Amino acid sequence: AQSVSQHNHHVILSEAASLELGCNYSYGGTVNLFWYVQYPGQHLQLLLKYFSGDPLVKGIKGFEAEFIKSKFSFNLRKPSVQWSDTAEYFCAVIPSGGSYIPTFGRGTSLIVHP
Amino acid sequence: EAQVTQNPRYLITVTGKKLTVTCSQNMNHEYMSWYRQDPGLGLRQIYYSMNVEVTDKGDVPEGYKVSRKEKRNFPLILESPSPNQTSLYFCASSLSRQGGNGYTFGSGTRLTVV
Repeated sequence: AQSVSQHNHHVILSEAASLELGCNYSYGGTVNLFWYVQYPGQHLQLLLKYFSGDPLVKGIKGFEAEFIKSKFSFNLRKPSVQWSDTAEYFCAVIPSGGSYIPTFGRGTSLIVHP
Repeated sequence: EAQVTQNPRYLITVTGKKLTVTCSQNMNHEYMSWYRQDPGLGLRQIYYSMNVEVTDKGDVPEGYKVSRKEKRNFPLILESPSPNQTSLYFCASSLSRQGGNGYTFGSGTRLTVV
């Protein structure tokens, strides 16, 4: 079974700082990759996704992620965070075959100080 | 507006009293699923459904039941709730089980079992 590891459980930044959240997965086959954001008290919303093609994907609100197949990684980045980016971020993996059961990481809580 | 609607948003119940959490989507999505979200554990899939009358277990199905009699509805049933089922529950749908354009999540149901 696949697994997803988000190394940073809590991240605290000041506004305008750069952000990188790590996501590594373990699965031997082809995967579809996602980052979701959950603002306080709200449901999860899709930030960006990668299925194939250019490994650098751009999402909403200035976020981007890079798929590095050799490292089984899909790290999320943003050059300059804002206070409104305070939220919990989840990486998710769906194998492109078999059961297609998604696996979510445990989440990273990001707090941005104004 | 395309959405996944869950009811109720909040529910407090007693051990052993059967309850149903409803989930409905208006996007004609084939794939629907239920997750529970617990602190430090991220999201874990309970059950999923690939189409009408087709359901299957996710990672943590014990103590839960689902049904998919119509494409738009996917209720979650707890026949005999226990305190360890106290959690935040999300219903999600997508065009396909591969994730399509990502999952659309409902607003969540916070369940407390005393």
